[in-house]
Amino acid sequence: RKEVEQDPGPFNVPEGATVAFNCTYSNSASQSFFWYRQDCRKEPKLLMSVYSSGNEDGRFTAQLNRASQYISLLIRDSKLSDSATYLCVVNPGGATNKLIFGTGTLLAVQP
Amino acid sequence: NAGVTQTPKFRVLKTGQSMTLLCAQDMNHEYMYWYRQDPGMGLRLIHYSVGEGTTAKGEVPDGYNVSRLKKQNFLLGLESAAPSQTSVYFCASSPERGGPPEQFFGPGTRLTVL
Repeated sequence: RKEVEQDPGPFNVPEGATVAFNCTYSNSASQSFFWYRQDCRKEPKLLMSVYSSGNEDGRFTAQLNRASQYISLLIRDSKLSDSATYLCVVNPGGATNKLIFGTGTLLAVQP
Repeated sequence: NAGVTQTPKFRVLKTGQSMTLLCAQDMNHEYMYWYRQDPGMGLRLIHYSVGEGTTAKGEVPDGYNVSRLKKQNFLLGLESAAPSQTSVYFCASSPERGGPPEQFFGPGTRLTVL
């Protein structure tokens, strides 16, 4: 079993749609959680951290369910510029700030 | 601030050739990492460093060596390149433990081994 699992997609959605991505992780001792965004042929960039209480940043909402070891990302009112690969990322803890990356979910927003 | 930079951006090697990829960061970060990214595999950690003069193996270290002689630089070496090392290589850095473990990435090096 992979440490971080995501549906690879692609998710093809029209502009204005709401889309949700899910991710599961295997290490119950994991400390912190993130969503990164990666545009085609570019480097990953932090989109948002994920907290147990849930957190929102504009059109983006992230949720964490530690009991189910499940992370989600909701994008409302999708824009063409949201087209990218979204990486679910888990920090397993320890002194090295190592991160475990999911393989990513590809989102394509259609005009 | 330039953030994290990588050189070269592209390289084509023949099997058996050697090369060094350079990563530099100007954020005074303690931790640095080298990843490779392959289709369907996600980012996999090759080696990492938790400070100047230290290095450690990651998930896929075979065929690679690293050095961190200066805090701002992290070098990845391929002594004898193989076609299986064709990949996109990303360097990243992170502040020392105590803050959010966010990693900042360089733009990547696309390596093809023929």
